[in-house]
Amino acid sequence: ELKVEQNPLFLSMQEGKNYTIYCNYSTTSDRLYWYRQDPGKSLESLFVLLSNGAVKQEGRLMASLDTKARLSTLHITAAVHDLSATYFCAVDITGTYKYIFGTGTRLKVLA
Amino acid sequence: DAEITQSPRHKITETGRQVTLACHQTWNHNNMFWYRQDLGHGLRLIHYSYGVQDTNKGEVSDGYSVSRSNTEDLPLTLESAASSQTSVYFCATSRGHTGELFFGEGSRLTVL
Repeated sequence: ELKVEQNPLFLSMQEGKNYTIYCNYSTTSDRLYWYRQDPGKSLESLFVLLSNGAVKQEGRLMASLDTKARLSTLHITAAVHDLSATYFCAVDITGTYKYIFGTGTRLKVLA
Repeated sequence: DAEITQSPRHKITETGRQVTLACHQTWNHNNMFWYRQDLGHGLRLIHYSYGVQDTNKGEVSDGYSVSRSNTEDLPLTLESAASSQTSVYFCATSRGHTGELFFGEGSRLTVL
């Protein structure tokens, strides 16, 4: 059974600081996704990582994928309040287009 | 612009009633999914479809059914609603070559 674990589950950080969210998964997959959800809203796609070593960056967020370690990271650089949200990683069970989500990391950036 | 529309956005029903949540997409994507979101569980897959007349069970499919008669729609039916099915339900489609998911706005269901 594929399990996807995120840590930390809750992160409170000061503006301007850097931090990393980790996403570990338990079985082989080459496709990993990051989504953002604001309170009471839907999920929006942030990053699509489709191969080992993939790195994507958008503004203050950078995501990477290590399929050998079954690990993805979402790095936050110089956090700002607007980044406050819940971040989910999701893994595609290879070849099936079935996606298993982590439980999410709730990020709160304090001014 | 292409989009996914869910209805109703909010619904309150009673235990034992049948409920159908609608999902309509104009992306023309073959793959469609229903997830439920509960605190502490993230998103859990209920049912999914790879195309017309194709439906498959996800990890939490008991008490739910879907049908796919056309590309645009994947309605989710709760045959006999239970309080444990109180949740927020998200419909999603995926772009075939990347697998990226696009979500509807969600339907909040309360079963009393």
